Amino acid sequence: KQEVTQIPAALSVPEGENLVLNCSFTDSAIYNLQWFRQDPGKGLTSLLLIQSSQREQTSGRLNASLDKSSGRSTLYIAASQPGDSATYLCVVNSRGGSYIPTFGRGTSLIVHP
Amino acid sequence: EAQVTQNPRYLITVTGKKLTVTCSQNMNHEYMSWYRQDPGLGLRQIYYSMNVEVTDKGDVPEGYKVSRKEKRNFPLILESPSPNQTSLYFCASSLFGGAANTEAFFGQGTRLTVV
Repeated sequence: KQEVTQIPAALSVPEGENLVLNCSFTDSAIYNLQWFRQDPGKGLTSLLLIQSSQREQTSGRLNASLDKSSGRSTLYIAASQPGDSATYLCVVNSRGGSYIPTFGRGTSLIVHP
Repeated sequence: EAQVTQNPRYLITVTGKKLTVTCSQNMNHEYMSWYRQDPGLGLRQIYYSMNVEVTDKGDVPEGYKVSRKEKRNFPLILESPSPNQTSLYFCASSLFGGAANTEAFFGQGTRLTVV
């Protein structure tokens, strides 16, 4: 059964720092991996989707990489801002007949001015 | 605007009183699903649907029912709610389930309290 782990669970940094959030998964047979942002009391907003054949995706200050063979993905946030404060979730869609995506428990990020 | 709409956003109910949380998407997506989110447990899938009239259990289906009579709607039904179903619920949709290049879209969530 696929397991997804996100490290660290929480992170508090000063504004301007470059950040790396980690996501690891146990089964490399995946369709894709998606990073979401969740603000308190709100829904999930998709940030980046990486297909299994891709190595990375970029959107603005965000860059997500995927190393399927080692079961890892990283979300890189450049020049962090207080508005980046949120919980970041990694979601893996696995092959093998199951259509149940597996969520990590998230990294709670606080960027203080 | 592409979106997934859940209603209600907040609901307080009593044990045993049947309720339905609605979910609608306007993207003609085939795949829809329901999740609950609890502190320390993360998001867990309750039920999913690959298409009209095709539904299947997720990781935590006990105490819930769903139906998919039309492509755009996927209501979550609690026939006899209990306090352990107090949670934050999310509906999601994507073009296909699990296939590549299928970005998932989430509703804004329904916070349910069962007393």
